[in-house]
Amino acid sequence: DSGVTQTPKHLITATGQRVTLRCSPRSGDLSVYWYQQSLDQGLQFLIQYYNGEERAKGNILERFSAQQFPDLHSELNLSSLELGDSALYFCASSVELGPSLFGANVLTFGAGSRLTVL
Amino acid sequence: LAKTTQPISMDSYEGQEVNITCSHNNIATNDYITWYQQFPSQGPRFIIQGYKTKVTNEVASLFIPADRKSSTLSLPRVSLSDTAVYYCLVGGDSGAGSYQLTFGKGTKLSVIP
Repeated sequence: DSGVTQTPKHLITATGQRVTLRCSPRSGDLSVYWYQQSLDQGLQFLIQYYNGEERAKGNILERFSAQQFPDLHSELNLSSLELGDSALYFCASSVELGPSLFGANVLTFGAGSRLTVL
Repeated sequence: LAKTTQPISMDSYEGQEVNITCSHNNIATNDYITWYQQFPSQGPRFIIQGYKTKVTNEVASLFIPADRKSSTLSLPRVSLSDTAVYYCLVGGDSGAGSYQLTFGKGTKLSVIP
């Protein structure tokens, strides 16, 4: 158990629907990152939050949104789902050490949420 | 952002030492190099991190030359359980304290009995 909790583990839904994925970071970690991994693809960075504020945006579609709540858990909302959105969605957390020590940040990943869009 | 280039795949026999090299020509001065391991349908797991020269832990060694434009992950005496995808990661500050940690496609290591 990495300490990062993601729910649900599996989710099957239909095209056009909306789903919410939830992530609880490791205790003490202030940063949350969301990644998407499609079949046989690398990890695509979606978005990062730090202590409730959006910090960085990657290849996140406009149909997707995320937020981090005061208790530091985060939710990734995926709407108007398409077949191509089927993927593993990973959440990771880290203790943010600040710009001067950014490179030392180590990500702890959750087990992922597998989304299947039919 | 510092991009990374790794071999797509490697094969090795059990008991051999495996070296996976990653190129990162645009690495920034304050960037560290971090390697992760990922098994199928699992989240990546931290293996090792370094800034320069050599770092060793109980799992692997990381060699970084003086120019830091590349790094080599060394796995001693691999076993079947080391079959996984290995990612080399170099962070980047995209401004105002925001960071995009970009993973490449990784190197798929297959350990053969």
